[in-house]
Amino acid sequence: SQTIHQWPATLVQPVGSPLSLECTVEGTSNPNLYWYRQAAGRGLQLLFYSVGIGQISSEVPQNLSASRPQDRQFILSSKKLLLSDSGFYLCAWSGRGRVNTEAFFGQGTRLTVV
Amino acid sequence: GQQLNQSPQSMFIQEGEDVSMNCTSSSIFNTWLWYKQDPGEGPVLLIALYKAGELTSNGRLTAQFGITRKDSFLNISASIPSDVGIYFCAGVTSGTYKYIFGTGTRLKVLA
Repeated sequence: SQTIHQWPATLVQPVGSPLSLECTVEGTSNPNLYWYRQAAGRGLQLLFYSVGIGQISSEVPQNLSASRPQDRQFILSSKKLLLSDSGFYLCAWSGRGRVNTEAFFGQGTRLTVV
Repeated sequence: GQQLNQSPQSMFIQEGEDVSMNCTSSSIFNTWLWYKQDPGEGPVLLIALYKAGELTSNGRLTAQFGITRKDSFLNISASIPSDVGIYFCAGVTSGTYKYIFGTGTRLKVLA
């Protein structure tokens, strides 16, 4: 069966520090991968999605970036964090070969920028 | 970013009551999904809908894909305390890979 791993679970970082959040998927090949951010008490905002290695689509201009160095690995990064980057970051995957399909989420990373 | 309108925003109900919530969009979707999120966790998929007018059940949950393809509904029958959480709808447009999420309905169940 397919599983998605996301780490770390929680992270406290000072303003101006770099960020790297990692997400990996097991049990499937060539998945679509997604990064979402959820502010406290709010909905899910799509940040990036990827349909293949090295293919990244950005939805919201900001100081975050994403990379997909391997088929089942998706990384969210920042060179310098802002206070406004605090939030709950969620990685998700969906199957390939069929656009309309279900998306499955990781457990999330709670990021607090201080 | 684009979001779907979900209502109600929150609701308090008594254990045993039925719950209804809906999601509306100005855009047509080809897939509607319903998720439940517990505090500090990632959303968990409850029901997926692929066809206009489709009615699908998962235990006490029933969801419908609106005929206009611009809305979807979720009903929970005989609510129990573990139904507490935030429920999100999500829509996917044919030809895209983007899942657009609703604003969420926060459900609280009073025992």
